Amino acid sequence: GESVGLHLPTLSVQEGDNSIINCAYSNSASDYFIWYKQESGKGPQFIIDIRSNMDKRQGQRVTVLLNKTVKHLSLQIAATQPGDSAVYFCAENPAFSGGYNKLIFGAGTRLAVHP
Amino acid sequence: DARVTQTPRHKVTEMGQEVTMRCQPILGHNTVFWYRQTMMQGLELLAYFRNRAPLDDSGMPKDRFSAEMPDATLATLKIQPSEPRDSAVYFCASGPALRGGKSYGYTFGSGTRLTVV
Repeated sequence: GESVGLHLPTLSVQEGDNSIINCAYSNSASDYFIWYKQESGKGPQFIIDIRSNMDKRQGQRVTVLLNKTVKHLSLQIAATQPGDSAVYFCAENPAFSGGYNKLIFGAGTRLAVHP
Repeated sequence: DARVTQTPRHKVTEMGQEVTMRCQPILGHNTVFWYRQTMMQGLELLAYFRNRAPLDDSGMPKDRFSAEMPDATLATLKIQPSEPRDSAVYFCASGPALRGGKSYGYTFGSGTRLTVV
């Protein structure tokens, strides 16, 4: 179940450092965003989400920042660990209304954590 | 933990054969998605269902693909006839409808890796 493409952008970080993964979204009408993590052979795993009425949301070791002006989303991972190595996808929901969602995924970024 | 179950995990078939992939969504989830993942195209939405009704299957090649939900515990994606270009990993995801304005990320299954030779 690899999500990886040969030409996925790769972010290499040292264990313990903070990681920042960026995503540009395309639809200005999107008002809900999710970050997913995909490890080799597995399906995407939900990390954190954010609605457009917020510009920041924090989880455990992760923070998502949303800049609607430039349609940019970022995922910050604090104290990156080897287990964080995976491909990370941002997904946007272009039609956010009760129960009627569809997610459009970005191309993904590979995070490689080195000891 | 509740999980989305997909079967089979791997499928190798010859071109022209029918392929059926199955998904058991999380109990209580009433929205189901089918995605396809390839190296070239990434994750593409094929179809999604709410309360077993197809809401959008515009991402699915209609001539050979079909998606159904015979009941609330089973979603199927069928390809007939299969072609080598259908080789990909097919994911099913399920999620609850929004309540009180609060939303949740969808839960993905582990996928079915399809190889058409």
